[in-house]
Amino acid sequence: GDSVTQMEGPVTLSEEAFLTINCTYTATGYPSLFWYVQYPGEGLQLLLKATKADDKGSNKGFEATYRKETTSFHLEKGSVQVSDSAVYFCALSVPTQGGSEKLVFGKGTKLTVNP
Amino acid sequence: ETGVTQTPRHLVMGMTNKKSLKCEQHLGHNAMYWYKQSAKKPLELMFVYNFKEQTENNSVPSRFSPECPNSSHLFLHLHTLQPEDSALYLCASALGTASGTDTQYFGPGTRLTVL
Repeated sequence: GDSVTQMEGPVTLSEEAFLTINCTYTATGYPSLFWYVQYPGEGLQLLLKATKADDKGSNKGFEATYRKETTSFHLEKGSVQVSDSAVYFCALSVPTQGGSEKLVFGKGTKLTVNP
Repeated sequence: ETGVTQTPRHLVMGMTNKKSLKCEQHLGHNAMYWYKQSAKKPLELMFVYNFKEQTENNSVPSRFSPECPNSSHLFLHLHTLQPEDSALYLCASALGTASGTDTQYFGPGTRLTVL
């Protein structure tokens, strides 16, 4: 079945460090891929997405490239800030029987950035 | 008000109580979702509605009863819950297409504690 595997962490970095959170997926077909972020005490916010192979999603300095050959969608940021401390979720979309789509999530990676 | 709102934000209930969670979206979407986020489990999809019709029930126990009176509102009726049902319940909405590019937008969640 469809699934997402992401590095579990937790990840602790110093401010201005480089961030990589690995995400790989298994899916039939070519799903859209997403990164969501959850700040403490809040719901999930869409961070970025890519809908086809070789697409690069980017937002707030974060980037991820849809790599079909390695079935990966790794999240990167060149210089993290304390305000980036949150839990990051990788997800893919699959169609439902009712004509909509549903998300399959990874387990989440908690990032803590220290000053 | 814009986006996806959820009420209440926090709820404490006994095992014999009946309560309801409410979700409202102001995005003109047609699909709505309930997710459960427990401390040590990945995000679990519970129900999907598209154009007010339930299209997915992910083997959810009958003590959880969803209701979708229109495309803007979604409820989750709770009765005779167990302590292990304590979790963050997240609502999401999306356009409701199977285009492969649909994006889900999440509410802030209801933190439920069952005593």
